Amino acid sequence: QSVLTQPPSVSAAPGQKVTISCSGSSSNIGYNYVSWYQQVPGTAPKLLIYDNNKRPSGIPDRFSGSRSGTSATLGITGLQTGDEADYYCGTWDSSLSAGVFGGGTKLTVL
Amino acid sequence: QVQLVESGGGVVQPGRSLRLSCEASGFTFSSYGMQWVRQAPGKGLEWVALIWYDGSNKYYADSVEGRFTISRDNSKNTLYLQMNSLRAEDTALYYCARGPLELDFWGQGTLVTVSS
Repeated sequence: QSVLTQPPSVSAAPGQKVTISCSGSSSNIGYNYVSWYQQVPGTAPKLLIYDNNKRPSGIPDRFSGSRSGTSATLGITGLQTGDEADYYCGTWDSSLSAGVFGGGTKLTVL
Repeated sequence: QVQLVESGGGVVQPGRSLRLSCEASGFTFSSYGMQWVRQAPGKGLEWVALIWYDGSNKYYADSVEGRFTISRDNSKNTLYLQMNSLRAEDTALYYCARGPLELDFWGQGTLVTVSS
């Protein structure tokens, strides 16, 4: 049981838009910055979004992040087959004094 | 370029110990907090431990508290994870990653299998 809750899977057609939600509490998402990671099967995770909505160098602006209250959302527009991967949200939990991740969301581009 | 290379994984019996290493290059290691994250086969990411840039503060997941110890040697640009009293549920791919908060660079991981 993950501290952060994500849907197990989402799907959409190429070129479409998809959003992935991440629900937490006042001690984690409600208090600390959220990051998002992309993991293509068989490879290490890659940072997509940090500080709720910032993109590292090299990440296309098709990827966006937002936070509202105790929830965060990853948005991906102009879906490509190469976006098929597992996506994880992560943050710090100030009550646990521990890092926390969501359970992951598998994105299928139909 | 930033590189993180883990080593030390392998097959170990329950109750035994193992020490993982993560050699860093391409950045000023002593300026960054570092973390260990693991992923059991077919499962999601699980945060394991964090150490501040100077080693002054350390934090652990409840699942490993008291059994695992994170440490670093800034003179050797190396991060460590000492794992004692290993259990079957510790079987996972262990990643080291850079960052006190967001993890902006990850190694490729080292596999730990706990089995009799």
